[in-house]
Amino acid sequence: KNEVEQSPQNLTAQEGEFITINCSYSVGISALHWLQQHPGGGIVSLFMLSSGKKKHGRLIATINIQEKHSSLHITASHPRDSAVYICAGDMEYGNKLVFGAGTILRVKS
Amino acid sequence: DAGITQSPRHKVTETGTPVTLRCHQTENHRYMYWYRQDPGHGLRLIHYSYGVKDTDKGEVSDGYSVSRSKTEDFLLTLESATSSQTSVYFCAISGRTGGFTGELFFGEGSRLTVL
Repeated sequence: KNEVEQSPQNLTAQEGEFITINCSYSVGISALHWLQQHPGGGIVSLFMLSSGKKKHGRLIATINIQEKHSSLHITASHPRDSAVYICAGDMEYGNKLVFGAGTILRVKS
Repeated sequence: DAGITQSPRHKVTETGTPVTLRCHQTENHRYMYWYRQDPGHGLRLIHYSYGVKDTDKGEVSDGYSVSRSKTEDFLLTLESATSSQTSVYFCAISGRTGGFTGELFFGEGSRLTVL
């Protein structure tokens, strides 16, 4: 079992829909990162959070430390949101990030 | 945008040849990382550096070596490339402090094909 699990693996949505991507982890972490990777493109950091909720534009990230779970929400989705979304746990001990396998999101117009 | 560049961006080489990938940053960040990204595996850490001449292995370090002779450059070397090292390689930097990795900045990636 991977230390960081994402669901769903693939997600297709219609433009305008509310999207949720989930990330669960089984190890102790000090923070949780959400990353975005467009097809053929580089990787961009969206959020780093260790508690509560953060919002940036149409993107919202939440984390529940006790339940070892984080979610990334996209409101009013748009085709340009189509990308791979990756969560990564910042290990509590050791200089290491553990990555989920990614969620492939496709938003259709 | 964070100042981090990788070179070369694309390389095709033959089995058994040495290959060096370069990561250059202008952010003066202490921590630098090399990852490889393969279908079905996500990002996996090869090596990382926490300062000049200070490096440590990641989870997939076999067949790779690294060097960091100055803050801004982190080199990844495949001494004798194999087909299993065909991958996309990403360099990343972070201003890690107090146990937190901090915000990560990634290079554009280097696509390596070993024939």
